[in-house]
Amino acid sequence: DIQMTQSPFTLSASVGDRVTITCRASQSISTSLAWYQQKPGEAPKLLIYKASSLESGVPSRFSGSGSGIEFTLTINSLQPDDSATYYCQHYNSYSRTFGQGTKVEVK
Amino acid sequence: EVQLVESGGGLVKPGGSLRLSCAASGFTFNRYSMNWVRQAPGKGLEWVSSISSSSSFIYYSDSMKGRFTISRDNAKNSLYLQINNLRAEDTGVYYCARDPSSGGVCCDAFDIWGQGTMVTVSS
Repeated sequence: DIQMTQSPFTLSASVGDRVTITCRASQSISTSLAWYQQKPGEAPKLLIYKASSLESGVPSRFSGSGSGIEFTLTINSLQPDDSATYYCQHYNSYSRTFGQGTKVEVK
Repeated sequence: EVQLVESGGGLVKPGGSLRLSCAASGFTFNRYSMNWVRQAPGKGLEWVSSISSSSSFIYYSDSMKGRFTISRDNAKNSLYLQINNLRAEDTGVYYCARDPSSGGVCCDAFDIWGQGTMVTVSS
């Protein structure tokens, strides 16, 4: 199975900062990569699909990049509402593996 | 409104069984592949299983094979997950989620999620 490794596990940043989360696949996955945001007590919410496509309704301060093995989620101008845990996910015919998550705290 | 609503969770003794349900509304259910994802308390997301629109293709996470069975009834707009021989480590919230990929087989990110149903396995 393809493994997905996120870094960092947690991060703390101030309002207005630019934040980057990295997700690395154990083998090349082309652009079959999604990013989700999850707040406590809520279901995950899709932010990015196909590595860099912004889901409808998601603020433009969220962006994704990468292909192959290494991917990044960037949040420009961090807002208080962005405090959440973020997950990457690989999807193919046989598995839909999630990364372990990155908890973002907004100071 | 596009919506997924899970039900069937609860407190179960180790070794017991449970059938979770997910009712879909607001979209043409029989056109979409569907999935189950679980989340243990305080832990991350774990994909459980997927089923194509016509049930022709079914996949399970390696760690879920054997005790978990996914199924669907397109006439009832419903998705199911049967879990047998429940263990303490099966405790968590179980979400159903839609895969919007064209053709209803595979593969795309999960665009619609339910609110989840809690399963607690304890004696």
